[in-house]
Amino acid sequence: DTAVSQTPKYLVTQMGNDKSIKCEQNLGHDTMYWYKQDSKKFLKIMFSYNNKELIINETVPNRFSPKSPDKAHLNLHINSLELGDSAVYFCASSQLTLSYEQYFGPGTRLTVT
Amino acid sequence: DQQVKQNSPSLSVQEGRISILNCDYTNSMFDYFLWYKKYPAEGPTFLISISSIKDKNEDGRFTVFLNKSAKHLSLHIVPSQPGDSAVYFCAASGAYNTDKLIFGTGTRLQVFP
Repeated sequence: DTAVSQTPKYLVTQMGNDKSIKCEQNLGHDTMYWYKQDSKKFLKIMFSYNNKELIINETVPNRFSPKSPDKAHLNLHINSLELGDSAVYFCASSQLTLSYEQYFGPGTRLTVT
Repeated sequence: DQQVKQNSPSLSVQEGRISILNCDYTNSMFDYFLWYKKYPAEGPTFLISISSIKDKNEDGRFTVFLNKSAKHLSLHIVPSQPGDSAVYFCAASGAYNTDKLIFGTGTRLQVFP
């Protein structure tokens, strides 16, 4: 029973395309996140949503647009993909009222050619 | 500016011995610290945490030590097992639950028989 799931696991696409990554959590958490792990293995937060409301936006290009239809889902849409967008994207969730612990999905490896 | 640093990219330890993973931070406002473990092709999983009001937290074979004056924390694994082989990330957070986690770049631990 997967707690935080992401689709797709792998995504290969060409520059200039638009793509989406989906994330779902079945933990009942009220906060969800998107992280990017680049080639240097830095794991950096991009966005955070609490009960469908954006609470953290880490100076990410506006080509990236998160969308949270409900508190169990946080999707990431990327417009006009660039080579530098190639990375592993992780979704995570937490129950902030309880702890700082975040539960991560398996990641989506995005390759832009 | 990297606020959380793991200066050892890799560590190799014999099974049964102690593994010590180190982490340094620069921001004195951090007050909660976590260790995550990551296997290949999976997302990070929470391992253990410590609040700044403590200097030690223990959970089974895992102990985290915090030295606030030195802005240093360490994770001890005793005894090390081959299944502990993974990448370990240190993370830190500020004074409020809504603060983001700042991750280090990770240390790859290999436990050999």
